[in-house]
Amino acid sequence: SQTIHQWPATLVQPVGSPLSLECTVEGTSNPNLYWYRQAAGRGLQLLFYSVGIGQISSEVPQNLSASRPQDRQFILSSKKLLLSDSGFYLCAWEGQGTSYEQYFGPGTRLTVT
Amino acid sequence: DAKTTQPNSMESNEEEPVHLPCNHSTISGTDYIHWYRQLPSQGPEYVIHGLTSNVNNRMASLAIAEDRKSSTLILHRATLRDAAVYYCILCRRALTFGSGTRLQVQP
Repeated sequence: SQTIHQWPATLVQPVGSPLSLECTVEGTSNPNLYWYRQAAGRGLQLLFYSVGIGQISSEVPQNLSASRPQDRQFILSSKKLLLSDSGFYLCAWEGQGTSYEQYFGPGTRLTVT
Repeated sequence: DAKTTQPNSMESNEEEPVHLPCNHSTISGTDYIHWYRQLPSQGPEYVIHGLTSNVNNRMASLAIAEDRKSSTLILHRATLRDAAVYYCILCRRALTFGSGTRLQVQP
């Protein structure tokens, strides 16, 4: 069966510090991968999606970036965090050829202080 | 992008059926209707999806209007574990989450 992992589970970082969040998927090949952010009390906002290694589409201009160095690995990064980057970051995978069912990881709760 | 409209909140009693409505009047012919739910401090969980016909699975049923401009998620017997925010989403490329319906289940 397929599983999706995210780490760390929680993170507290000062403003201006770098960020690296990792997401890995097991049990499937060539998944579509997604990064979402959820601010407190709000709905989910799509940040990035990837249909393959090295292929990244950005949905929202911001100081975040994403990379997909391996088929089942998706990384969210920032060089300098802002207070507004605080939130719940969720990674999701979607199988190829499905009708867009997405399966979410446990999330990373980021607090920028 | 096509948008959906859902009530902000609903209440139900345990073991009673729950009908969660969703309006999507600007839906296009290729949009799938997806439902996800999110429990506190967890990622969203896929519930069900459909295109034109009504759908059933072990979690819920999805009733889609003939003109596809609205749909209803049906939980046949609500339990306390069904208390969550339910999102109705029209899917083309990626999921666009609105604010959803917060379902409260009373014992």
